[in-house]
Amino acid sequence: SAVISQKPSRDICQRGTSLTIQCQVDSQVTMMFWYRQQPGQSLTLIATANQGSEATYESGFVIDKFPISRPNLTFSTLTVSNMSPEDSSIYLCSVGNAGELFFGEGSRLTVL
Amino acid sequence: GIQVEQSPPDLILQEGANSTLRCNFSDSVNNLQWFHQNPWGQLINLFYIPSGTKQNGRLSATTVATERYSLLYISSSQTTDSGVYFCAVATGANNLFFGTGTRLTVIP
Repeated sequence: SAVISQKPSRDICQRGTSLTIQCQVDSQVTMMFWYRQQPGQSLTLIATANQGSEATYESGFVIDKFPISRPNLTFSTLTVSNMSPEDSSIYLCSVGNAGELFFGEGSRLTVL
Repeated sequence: GIQVEQSPPDLILQEGANSTLRCNFSDSVNNLQWFHQNPWGQLINLFYIPSGTKQNGRLSATTVATERYSLLYISSSQTTDSGVYFCAVATGANNLFFGTGTRLTVIP
């Protein structure tokens, strides 16, 4: 399975600021995804990060709030913009390999 | 979208006991995975099992795709098995949709 590294692993942010999360994979992958896990909840897909084109967002998520970059087949970023306390969550990067998905260790954000 | 329901939502076991976790889904799927989320939040892949039966040590899983359910069996439970177990499915591209989870607590 691919090794997926996320940075930062955790952060405490002020309301109204933005934070960019990085996801680095140790091999080229076609499919990369970003998920959110709110406290005590299950995981929800935010978007599919497409290499060379705009990300594909799920219902309830918009590019202005969660801009995503995918400059190559091993790297992606997710920005959480204009944060509010409701954005406090774990954000996870995921990659597909032969049909199976693997997850990074997540970035735990707390917004004050 | 596809609905994924897991039962029971919470389970408390004495160490050494066996358990069965269930995942029901509302549509045909081409991918089904079971994950264990440990207390630190890390998601650990348990099984990639869109159909059939697999076993890995004390854990095994069975998916009956035609009847739209999957079962995860944990035998001789240990305290390190504690955490949340998620079932996740996909109907097309690889993006997974997660169930509500089963929170397992194993008591020494």
